[in-house]
Amino acid sequence: AQKVTQAQTEISVVEKEDVTLDCVYETRDTTYYLFWYKQPPSGELVFLIRRNSFDEQNEISGRYSWNFQKSTSSFNFTITASQVVDSAVYFCALYTGRRALTFGSGTRLQVQP
Amino acid sequence: DAGITQSPRHKVTETGTPVTLRCHQTENHRYMYWYRQDPGHGLRLIHYSYGVKDTDKGEVSDGYSVSRSKTEDFLLTLESATSSQTSVYFCAISESSGRDNNEQFFGPGTRLTVL
Repeated sequence: AQKVTQAQTEISVVEKEDVTLDCVYETRDTTYYLFWYKQPPSGELVFLIRRNSFDEQNEISGRYSWNFQKSTSSFNFTITASQVVDSAVYFCALYTGRRALTFGSGTRLQVQP
Repeated sequence: DAGITQSPRHKVTETGTPVTLRCHQTENHRYMYWYRQDPGHGLRLIHYSYGVKDTDKGEVSDGYSVSRSKTEDFLLTLESATSSQTSVYFCAISESSGRDNNEQFFGPGTRLTVL
């Protein structure tokens, strides 16, 4: 069975603070892919990143960074110097090549000005 | 942005009526998916397609059927809508299910309310 847990239901920060969104996954497959999606208040789902299970190198894209640790089955997402435009629901998802993505329940991030 | 459209974007219907949602893509991707999004559940797979006329069930397929007669269109039908099917429905596409190009891109969503 596959499972993705995003234990943080809602996080509120003040602009310019750093914030980390946690994601813990479960799978018995040795080959898998992890994703983060952003859902802004307008409702669409925006693809942010994909990592495969063979590549534990952390990734940075502007103010966004991702920390993938197989030892703890985690794929955490950090936003540095948060901005109001970062306010959204963020979903972590797992893919093992069987049919479709398994999503976490999402973390709502509110960035206050 | 991936060329994915969904229609209608909003629909209100009554219990027991049939409803069809349409997903249209211009990317010529092989794989298409229907998900529903409900509070506290993230997104859950309803049905997916791996080619024209090739479909399979997902996690929450009861009460839904799908059809794909062309690469670009994937239809989701609620034969007899129930209030439990009130949800936001997302279509997604992906180029591959393998090692590369397996990221899924999502349409804008359809908000369905069953009264």
